[in-house]
Amino acid sequence: QVHLQESGPGLVKPSGTLSLTCAVSGGSISSSYWWSWIRQSPGKGLEWIGGIYHSGNTNYNPSLKSRVTMSVDKSKNQFSLKLSSVTAADTAVYYCARDTTVTVTFDIWGQGTMVTVSS
Amino acid sequence: DIQMTQSPSSLSASVGDRVTITCRASQNIANYLNWYQQKPGKAPKLLIYGTFSLESGVPSRFSGSGSGTDFTLTISSLQPEDFATYYCQQSYTTPPYTFGQGTKLEIK
Repeated sequence: QVHLQESGPGLVKPSGTLSLTCAVSGGSISSSYWWSWIRQSPGKGLEWIGGIYHSGNTNYNPSLKSRVTMSVDKSKNQFSLKLSSVTAADTAVYYCARDTTVTVTFDIWGQGTMVTVSS
Repeated sequence: DIQMTQSPSSLSASVGDRVTITCRASQNIANYLNWYQQKPGKAPKLLIYGTFSLESGVPSRFSGSGSGTDFTLTISSLQPEDFATYYCQQSYTTPPYTFGQGTKLEIK
């Protein structure tokens, strides 16, 4: 059974960079799935941030594209998110999720990690 | 972006009731529509994908229907564990993949 676990700082300063990692266990990140980041804030609900394939191919939400970088570390079976120039509007619970690719269905989710942007 | 609008935003119902939640897309998304259930403090859980298909392990009292722009999630007989927030999500063509604003199902 595949399990996803997010990790990273819970507090980021305004104008700084949010960095999160999602560890994949019970399966290989090199399998035929995309791996996504999704966030949830009270003001904006659920928002898809972007996704990455094990080859390094990425798809980003155009609204965040200028600030988002995703990467994969196959040796550690994990993938990462960097979001730069953060503001209070980026305060949210961040989830990593597996995307079944053909239908873009998020079938497995991590538990989520709360990130607050504040000085 | 394709906008997804759910109705109602909240709903009160009793155990045993039949409940229907609606999701409308701002443009035709064929059958690229998924439904999720979220309980407080937990991640969303996939219930239905591709409009109709039940995710493995999901009770058969959940069903989905629709096509094009109008979709529904139906719970045939509410159980205590079904009280949660439900979200639709479209996955049509290119990103971004967008979610509805959610429908909170509460106990009457």
